[in-house]
Amino acid sequence: QSVLTQPPSASGTPGQRVTISCSGSRSNIGLNSVNWYQHLPGTAPKLVIHTNTQRPSGVPDRFSGSRSGTSASLAIIGLQSEDESDYYCTTWDDSLNAVVFGGGTRLTVL
Amino acid sequence: QVQLQESGPGLVNPSETLSLNCTVSGGSINRYFWSWIRQPPGRGLEWLGYISSSGTTKYSPPFKSRITFSIDTSRNQFSLNLKSVTAADTAVFYCARLTWGSVIDNWGQGVPVIVSS
Repeated sequence: QSVLTQPPSASGTPGQRVTISCSGSRSNIGLNSVNWYQHLPGTAPKLVIHTNTQRPSGVPDRFSGSRSGTSASLAIIGLQSEDESDYYCTTWDDSLNAVVFGGGTRLTVL
Repeated sequence: QVQLQESGPGLVNPSETLSLNCTVSGGSINRYFWSWIRQPPGRGLEWLGYISSSGTTKYSPPFKSRITFSIDTSRNQFSLNLKSVTAADTAVFYCARLTWGSVIDNWGQGVPVIVSS
């Protein structure tokens, strides 16, 4: 059971907009910024959003992030086949004194 | 660009200690925090803890009793020891760099470890 809750799956067709939610609590998302990773099993995870809304260099502007209260979201517009991957939210939890991950969302591009 | 490379045995016997190394290249190990993360088969990513370049450690609560990190700044390496392993510790293990805001900005490719006799 992950500390952060994500839907196990999401899907969309090419060109569509997809959002992935991440729900936490006051001790984690409520107090700390959220980061998002794209992960193809067998490869190194890739940071796609940090500090709630910031895109690292090289990440397409189709990716955006937001945070409100104890929840966060990752949005992808203009969905492309290469976006098919697992996505994880993470943050620091002040009660656990640890980095916590969401359970991951498998995004399928139909 | 910093690169990280995990190394260690791919097979460990139950009840023994799993030991992995991570070599950092393309940058200094100093002034950063270094983490281990794992992914059991069919499951999500799980943070194990971090070690600073000065040797300060923070372990994830579920692992506190049996995990130890160490660091050798002269060799740009840090290490993981996980004792008393069981089949439930079978996973791909990643080493990574942890920066401000709990951002993990550089990851190794991961090394699979199977716990089995």
